[in-house]
Amino acid sequence: EAGVAQSPRYKIIEKRQSVAFWCNPISGHATLYWYQQILGQGPKLLIQFQNNGVVDDSQLPKDRFSAERLKGVDSTLKIQPAKLEDSAVYLCASSQGLAVTDTQYFGPGTRLTVL
Amino acid sequence: AQSVTQLDSQVPVFEEAPVELRCNYSSSVSVYLFWYVQYPNQGLQLLLKYLSGSTLVKGINGFEAEFNKSQTSFHLRKPSVHISDTAEYFCAVSESVQGAQKLVFGQGTRLTINP
Repeated sequence: EAGVAQSPRYKIIEKRQSVAFWCNPISGHATLYWYQQILGQGPKLLIQFQNNGVVDDSQLPKDRFSAERLKGVDSTLKIQPAKLEDSAVYLCASSQGLAVTDTQYFGPGTRLTVL
Repeated sequence: AQSVTQLDSQVPVFEEAPVELRCNYSSSVSVYLFWYVQYPNQGLQLLLKYLSGSTLVKGINGFEAEFNKSQTSFHLRKPSVHISDTAEYFCAVSESVQGAQKLVFGQGTRLTINP
């Protein structure tokens, strides 16, 4: 079974530029998550989708971050404009559903460096 | 809101020695607990989880954890570590948001195995 795919793996941009990350979840997984992992910290949930609807985006900085999952499969996360403090690894995860028994499977992440 | 505290940011041990990684959670009526491992340049992988039932939970790669409600702890243990266990370990608690489960991670513990 193919895992969660993410691209690009690495991205370096200057502040005030925009950037987009792509995620393809495990086939058949209805729930998709985007996490931000700052160096030395645990992952923090940014947004959670169930199919193409948003379940929780309470920690997404909506003035600069946006995410979509239009067809309920793959998803993109965008930052516009980027700030220095956005430097982090952005992890995508997917699960079969929303229940606590549904294991989250993580992709390898995209490491973003903002200069 | 739920929270998790990992008491050690780094744990160095010698190969074949036992190890314990400590995790404490904020008290709640129902609690679901997880340990994830992150190898260098990879996403997170589930080691084990406690949902209910036996307080001693066995996971992959020889790891186990014990849920202790009175001490609000969920410490991870392995009787004999290998070089390949070198990684970052994250404890997480699940909380319910609008009917959906959301993972809240600790800060992580870096386990370094010395030959």
